Amino acid sequence: KAGVTQTPRYLIKTRGQQVTLSCSPISGHRSVSWYQQTPGQGLQFLFEYFSETQRNKGNFPGRFSGRQFSNSRSEMNVSTLELGDSALYLCASSPGPEGGYGYTFGSGTRLTVV
Amino acid sequence: AQSVTQLDSQVPVFEEAPVELRCNYSSSVSVYLFWYVQYPNQGLQLLLKYLSGSTLVKGINGFEAEFNKSQTSFHLRKPSVHISDTAEYFCAASRDDKIIFGKGTRLHILP
Repeated sequence: KAGVTQTPRYLIKTRGQQVTLSCSPISGHRSVSWYQQTPGQGLQFLFEYFSETQRNKGNFPGRFSGRQFSNSRSEMNVSTLELGDSALYLCASSPGPEGGYGYTFGSGTRLTVV
Repeated sequence: AQSVTQLDSQVPVFEEAPVELRCNYSSSVSVYLFWYVQYPNQGLQLLLKYLSGSTLVKGINGFEAEFNKSQTSFHLRKPSVHISDTAEYFCAASRDDKIIFGKGTRLHILP
């Protein structure tokens, strides 16, 4: 059974650019959540999607957006990149909205903004 | 509001010694509890989870955790660590379809 696949693994962007990250969940999983991980702030919740609908959203500016497709694959987009957006972005999937399932995480996308 | 506190940001321990990583949660209602491990340059991996029932939960790689409702704790233990256990460990609590992570504890294994 394939795990959670995140692409690309590494990305270098310039301030002001935009970026799109992709996440393919485990087959059959319908819930996808995104986290930003930095050394200073730890794991911070971005948003959660279930059946193409955003169910929860963290405290991030509107530059951060996401969507989920009918096949449960999800993308997140960050516009007008800032240096502080440099982080490891993690995608996690679960069969449904978190209720004790636990997450399966991807390996992450390491974004560096220069 | 729900919160998860990992009391130690770093824990050094000698190889083959026992280890305990501490986690406390704040919630007035029942929660689901988890421990995840993150190896360098990887995502998080679920070690174990507590949903209900027996308060002692066994996970992968020889880890176990004990749920203590009166102390609102969910400490992670391993009787004998190996160099391959070097990683960051995250405690998490889930309620009402929301999951909160602790800040993580780095486990350093000393030779």
